[in-house]
Amino acid sequence: DTEVTQTPKHLVMGMTNKKSLKCEQHMGHRAMYWYKQKAKKPPELMFVYSYEKLSINESVPSRFSPECPNSSLLNLHLHALQPEDSALYLCASSHGIAGVLADTQYFGPGTRLTVL
Amino acid sequence: GQQLNQSPQSMFIQEGEDVSMNCTSSSIFNTWLWYKQDPGEGPVLLIALYKAGELTSNGRLTAQFGITRKDSFLNISASIPSDVGIYFCAGYKSGGGNKLTFGTGTQLKVEL
Repeated sequence: DTEVTQTPKHLVMGMTNKKSLKCEQHMGHRAMYWYKQKAKKPPELMFVYSYEKLSINESVPSRFSPECPNSSLLNLHLHALQPEDSALYLCASSHGIAGVLADTQYFGPGTRLTVL
Repeated sequence: GQQLNQSPQSMFIQEGEDVSMNCTSSSIFNTWLWYKQDPGEGPVLLIALYKAGELTSNGRLTAQFGITRKDSFLNISASIPSDVGIYFCAGYKSGGGNKLTFGTGTQLKVEL
């Protein structure tokens, strides 16, 4: 099973709202990722968690706040977003085993976010 | 950030035709991955390549990891309407940690 699930599928929020995106995997993967994707463009990395610790933050604005409550769950908390933050937000996971060079990432279906 | 050079940018082909697309880089990559993405969905892994020269098939799809480790290609044989979508190559660069570098994408459209 290579399934990564994401909820909600669609989200519309105002610029003053607070919302959260959720991601879950049960493959025993120890690395989880958040990406942002604009239409017809490749995904852009936002955050990487390795063994539940934040290992990479690609200079993402603080209005995006990631959280990894346990090895299966990844959240992205959203607050005071701007209309230009509207995009498809993708979660991915990989084995993340230290010392393994090849680490295939499996993506979830994404959350389509619209900021009004 | 850096993106891989992927070509062609888009293709409009007849059903039943074979398709070929490729990715090139000026840097050496340790792993090449090929994903397909349908509109509004997440990328789905098609083929993963881990060794230079490796040739791997998945049904009608065949991909190769270039000998120089700086390129990869994907072939689709006898295309069908459900092959429509955007294809992304992606790779792990030596010393790049957990960060995938993506290609710019190839949009495939199939004419019935």
